[in-house]
Amino acid sequence: NAGVTQTPKFQVLKTGQSMTLQCAQDMNHEYMSWYRQDPGMGLRLIHYSVGAGITDQGEVPNGYNVSRSTTEDFPLRLLSAAPSQTSVYFCASKPQGVFDQPQHFGDGTRLSIL
Amino acid sequence: AQSVTQLDSQVPVFEEAPVELRCNYSSSVSVYLFWYVQYPNQGLQLLLKYLSGSTLVKGINGFEAEFNKSQTSFHLRKPSVHISDTAEYFCAVSGPGQAGTALIFGKGTTLSVSS
Repeated sequence: NAGVTQTPKFQVLKTGQSMTLQCAQDMNHEYMSWYRQDPGMGLRLIHYSVGAGITDQGEVPNGYNVSRSTTEDFPLRLLSAAPSQTSVYFCASKPQGVFDQPQHFGDGTRLSIL
Repeated sequence: AQSVTQLDSQVPVFEEAPVELRCNYSSSVSVYLFWYVQYPNQGLQLLLKYLSGSTLVKGINGFEAEFNKSQTSFHLRKPSVHISDTAEYFCAVSGPGQAGTALIFGKGTTLSVSS
């Protein structure tokens, strides 16, 4: 099983550029989410989705857009990258409403904004 | 609103010594609690979880945690650590979203095991 796949693994952008971080899961999980990890800050929730066509904001949504057109994919878009968005981004998924199932995390995308 | 506080940002220990990583949470409703581990340049892996029932929870790699509702704590313990336990550890509580699925993480504790 591939689990949660994030691409790319590394990316360097210039300020003002746009890009999309890809996240795909093959476990038919309804719930998917995006976190950013910064030193000393832990993981903070950016956006999440409880199913295709349904998304909502987390703790730090500004500067990021998401959409969920399929169960498998949950891309994260940076419309105009800023140095403050330099971070490691993690995507996670789990079955919706099944509390004893853990969230499955991807290996992360390391993003640097110059 | 729910929140998680990990009381130690770094914990250095010697190999085969016991260790405790401390976690306090704040919530006005019943919570689900988790400990995740992150090895260098990897994603997060679930160590253990508390959903209900017995307050002593056993996880992978010899770790265990005790849920204490009166002290709102969920401390992680291991009686004897190995070099391979060196990693960052995150405590998390179920947060907003339908059916409490989203996770609120603490800021992490770096466990450094030396020989």
